[in-house]
Amino acid sequence: SYELTQPPSVSVSPGQTATITCSGDKLGEKYVCWYQQKPGQSPVLVIYQDTKRYSGIPERFSGSKSGNTATLTISGTQTMDEADYYCQAWDSSIVFGGGTKLIVL
Amino acid sequence: EVQLVESGGDLVQPGGSLRLSCAASGFTFNFYWMHWVRLVPGKGLVWVSDINSDGRTSNYADSVKGRFTVSRDNAKNTLSLQMNSLRGEDTAIYYCARGSVTGYYYHGMDVWGQGTTVTVSS
Repeated sequence: SYELTQPPSVSVSPGQTATITCSGDKLGEKYVCWYQQKPGQSPVLVIYQDTKRYSGIPERFSGSKSGNTATLTISGTQTMDEADYYCQAWDSSIVFGGGTKLIVL
Repeated sequence: EVQLVESGGDLVQPGGSLRLSCAASGFTFNFYWMHWVRLVPGKGLVWVSDINSDGRTSNYADSVKGRFTVSRDNAKNTLSLQMNSLRGEDTAIYYCARGSVTGYYYHGMDVWGQGTTVTVSS
């Protein structure tokens, strides 16, 4: 079955840039979405179709892809951005990455 | 307001059954694909199933195929998930989520319910 690999955690200082990666076989040929989930809350769509920011998502969030690695970048990270982030793609079925806990400290 | 509200989660014994429901409001339900996604403790988000706008096409994760059945009632704006032969590994928070009108997965799931908790344990 298809797998998307994310780092378990990423740490960043407030105001700095956070990068969360997502890699998978032939991911360059697939579109990627990104979701944010804070503790006790439902997931929120952040990025779709690799680079498109969903309505209402702050401009500091951006998506990119190079080769078989997709990246979610948060510029000027705020403490409110501390959450779990999941990438998602499709390969015969929808697949989520294992999630990355973003720690802002 | 666009909203999805799940219900039906409970504590159930292994081998038992449960039916989850998701009530949609604030949008034209019968235009959209709908999904079930679960948050598994220690594992993260896992896609479970989806169904197209008219209910004629559905897909399932391998882990639930043959045990779970997704359906929808467009007259009542309701999505359902019938879960049979439940196992401990089905323990999770179950979310319904709105997909796209086109069925293209790259549009993402843009509206999520608050989730309903299913615990499978003796």
